[in-house]
Amino acid sequence: SQQGEEDPQALSIQEGENATMNCSYKTSINNLQWYRQNSGRGLVHLILIRSNEREKHSGRLRVTLDTSKKSSSLLITASRAADTASYFCATDHSGNTPLVFGKGTRLSVIA
Amino acid sequence: SAVISQKPSRDICQRGTSLTIQCQVDSQVTMMFWYRQQPGQSLTLIATANQGSEATYESGFVIDKFPISRPNLTFSTLTVSNMSPEDSSIYLCSVEKVSGGYEQYFGPGTRLTVT
Repeated sequence: SQQGEEDPQALSIQEGENATMNCSYKTSINNLQWYRQNSGRGLVHLILIRSNEREKHSGRLRVTLDTSKKSSSLLITASRAADTASYFCATDHSGNTPLVFGKGTRLSVIA
Repeated sequence: SAVISQKPSRDICQRGTSLTIQCQVDSQVTMMFWYRQQPGQSLTLIATANQGSEATYESGFVIDKFPISRPNLTFSTLTVSNMSPEDSSIYLCSVEKVSGGYEQYFGPGTRLTVT
């Protein structure tokens, strides 16, 4: 069954603005990971946040995790046209288990 | 991280035929997975490819339709058998690496179109 649900489903912003995408899940998790997919290509791993972590940064990316609300957010600051892609969150219940993906958010950054 | 390659990158096939997709990883990994992504959809796990034993299939996927091989810790194949247009999808393999957590990395995908 699908674990994660991203919102919004689609987001359109101007270059330079910040983009925030949210992910909610239903049951307890071990890790939550965010991925980017450009136009039907393979997935690029962005960041992993463990269930005992609340926030992680990587370059222009900031991920938060609120296990009490079973939700995570991905913030992309100072967006660029090249950030245009679909973004997915994925969760696992423990190590060595496959990921369950949400439906994704389609981000369009307009130059 | 892991460098993963898939062959072919895309193919157009006739209904009723079969296609075998190869996945090669640049290092030994314990866990390898195969996913399907139908047009405009998210990823759905097909199976876990187990080295030295039969793959573990998710609900809705069967070995006769999606036979999987895993002869060693760096290679796996997925066959899509007796294809129909409904099998038109992107097929992705992924591997799990332990790096501060169980991170999964994905290959570039194989875009399959069945006519």
